[in-house]
Amino acid sequence: QSVLTQPPSVSGAPGQRVTIPCTGSSSNIGSGSYIHWYQQLPGTAPKLLIYANNIRPSGVPDRFSASKSGTSSSLAISGLQAEDEANYYCQSYDSSLRAIFGTGTKVTVL
Amino acid sequence: EVQLVESGGALIQSGGSLRLSCAAAGISVSMNYMSWVRQAPGKGLEWVSMIFSGGRTYYADSVQGRFVISRDESKNIVYLQMNSLRVEDTAVYYCARVNRIAVAAADSWGQGTLVTVSS
Repeated sequence: QSVLTQPPSVSGAPGQRVTIPCTGSSSNIGSGSYIHWYQQLPGTAPKLLIYANNIRPSGVPDRFSASKSGTSSSLAISGLQAEDEANYYCQSYDSSLRAIFGTGTKVTVL
Repeated sequence: EVQLVESGGALIQSGGSLRLSCAAAGISVSMNYMSWVRQAPGKGLEWVSMIFSGGRTYYADSVQGRFVISRDESKNIVYLQMNSLRVEDTAVYYCARVNRIAVAAADSWGQGTLVTVSS
C-alpha cells in the first residue's frame, strides 16, 4: 500500500514556528483525497487536529494550521508551546478507499 | 459525547485467534463508518480495517484474509476477529469513528487495547 512520508523529527524553541511536511503521490494526496492531521501525546490515543486539509475541529487552538498542494501537505505550529511536544501524523485515502497514515513526526520543544 | 471502549486484548501465541470488541456510546455503529487502527510498540499508526455504514468492509493488505471486521447493531459494538495471528500483529489496537461530515476523518478514538503475539 502507498505511504505518506514525514520527517522523523522536528524541533523548535518555545514561541517559534515549525512545519511538518507530508509527502504523498498521485494515487493518494495527488488524486484529490483530503488530508487529516492527528496529534498523539505520549501514552494517549491519537486526537484529530485538522481535517479536510485545513479545518480545525472545535477546541483546537488556531496556532495549528495546515495546507495542501499537489501531492503534499504541511502542518504548521505557530507559537510553539511545551504542551505541543507530541507525535503528529498525516492521513489520507488511496484510490482503493484504504486509509493510509504518514510515517509520523516527533515534535520536540527545546 | 462519543465514547468508544475497546476490550479483548491479550497475550496469545502465534497462529492463534482473538476477537476485539469496541463498545460505542453516543453514536450508532451501524450509521457510522468505524475503523480499527493499530500501533506497534514504539512505531507509528497503521490503519487496519474499516466498515462502512452500508456494510462494505476494507482491509489493509497486511491483514487481508486473516482479520474480519463486523458489527452488532443491537449491542452497538464493532468487532475485529483476528485469525492466524503473527508476531508482527503485536500492537495497541484502537477503535475509531470515521466521520463522513468531516470528510472521513477519525474524530473519536478509544483508549486502545493491547494485543501481544508471542512466538
